[in-house]
Amino acid sequence: DVKVTQSSRYLVKRTGEKVFLECVQDMDHENMFWYRQDPGLGLRLIYFSYDVKMKEKGDIPEGYSVSREKKERFSLILESASTNQTSMYLCASRRAGGTEAFFGQGTRLTVV
Amino acid sequence: QQQVKQSPQSLIVQKGGISIINCAYENTAFDYFPWYQQFPGKGPALLIAIRPDVSEKKEGRFTISFNKSAKQFSLHIMDSQPGDSATYFCAASTDSGYSTLTFGKGTMLLVSP
Repeated sequence: DVKVTQSSRYLVKRTGEKVFLECVQDMDHENMFWYRQDPGLGLRLIYFSYDVKMKEKGDIPEGYSVSREKKERFSLILESASTNQTSMYLCASRRAGGTEAFFGQGTRLTVV
Repeated sequence: QQQVKQSPQSLIVQKGGISIINCAYENTAFDYFPWYQQFPGKGPALLIAIRPDVSEKKEGRFTISFNKSAKQFSLHIMDSQPGDSATYFCAASTDSGYSTLTFGKGTMLLVSP
């Protein structure tokens, strides 16, 4: 079974803090993705990576950055957290050339 | 610009009834159309998917109907069960190896006992 593990289920951070969300997958997938999920807005793509050290902006990259130093790990970084970044964050991975994306359980981030 | 429009936003169906969720897309380059199912506290998981070379795909109680000319596709859940209560997302992508999924906004389905 593919497993995508997000390091935290719940996080509470203060405005202005630098926040790291970590994601690890165990199936040697080349592609990894970060989405945020908000009620009524669905899943919106923040950043994605096709391979190690590669990154591409998604639809809503402002205020975020990412790091992919190892194939199995994809980190989402909030450089200076703001209250409008309070959301559910979902990581996903996919085999190169594949179609099915496998999601982690999500990290619910609250910025106060 | 929302490329995949999903409706309704929420749906209540009685046990044994048929649940129908609709999606419409704009980008004619899309050629892969999956549905994801998400239970509370879990990440989305692939439920069923279709490509535009067929008009219908059925897996158990779940059926996707696809209308290429209308650029619409829908999910039908037959004999809906309380265990089907979840949020459903339609999505679309191209077949490129570098494609990303574009999701609809989701439908929260509640199947009443």
